[in-house]
Amino acid sequence: QKEVEQDPGPLSVPEGAIVSLNCTYSNSAFQYFMWYRQYSRKGPELLMYTYSSGNKEDGRFTAQVDKSSKYISLFIRDSQPSDSATYLCAMSSSASKIIFGSGTRLSIRP
Amino acid sequence: DGGITQSPKYLFRKEGQNVTLSCEQNLNHDAMYWYRQDPGQGLRLIYYSQIVNDFQKGDIAEGYSVSREKKESFPLTVTSAQKNPTAFYLCASSPTGDKGIYGYTFGSGTRLTVV
Repeated sequence: QKEVEQDPGPLSVPEGAIVSLNCTYSNSAFQYFMWYRQYSRKGPELLMYTYSSGNKEDGRFTAQVDKSSKYISLFIRDSQPSDSATYLCAMSSSASKIIFGSGTRLSIRP
Repeated sequence: DGGITQSPKYLFRKEGQNVTLSCEQNLNHDAMYWYRQDPGQGLRLIYYSQIVNDFQKGDIAEGYSVSREKKESFPLTVTSAQKNPTAFYLCASSPTGDKGIYGYTFGSGTRLTVV
């Protein structure tokens, strides 16, 4: 079993829809949770981060962590074509070892 | 502007050849990392270094080697011992300590293809 599981998609939704991206994990020691966005042929860029459980909102993006269920989510409201990218969840219990999910490919249809 | 520069963007390797991928950063970060990205497998850690002249193996170090002679530079050599080197290689850097967890900056990657 992988430490971090992420549905690879692809996920295709119409512009303006709410998008939900999810990851599950098995290591209860993870405390730091991140979402990265990766455009085609580019490196990932940090989109959102949270520590331990709870929600964090930044504009159209909301990150949720449920440590009791070992489940994290990223919600994108009012999705735009420019949101089309691969989204990778990532988590860690220490700075030297970040575990990445396999990424979900998202396409927003105009 | 501060950032990470990876070169070349595309690289072709013949069977049995060693090739070196360049990674340079001007962010004054202490830690640097090399990841390999394959379709459906996410990012897998090859090597990392938290200080000059010191580095540690990641999860898939076999067939790879690195050096860290300068803070700004962390080149990766893909040796002929790496049996399946075709992949997208990403270099990253970060501060050390707790700030480092959220402070990863990635380069734009090098796509290596065996011909």
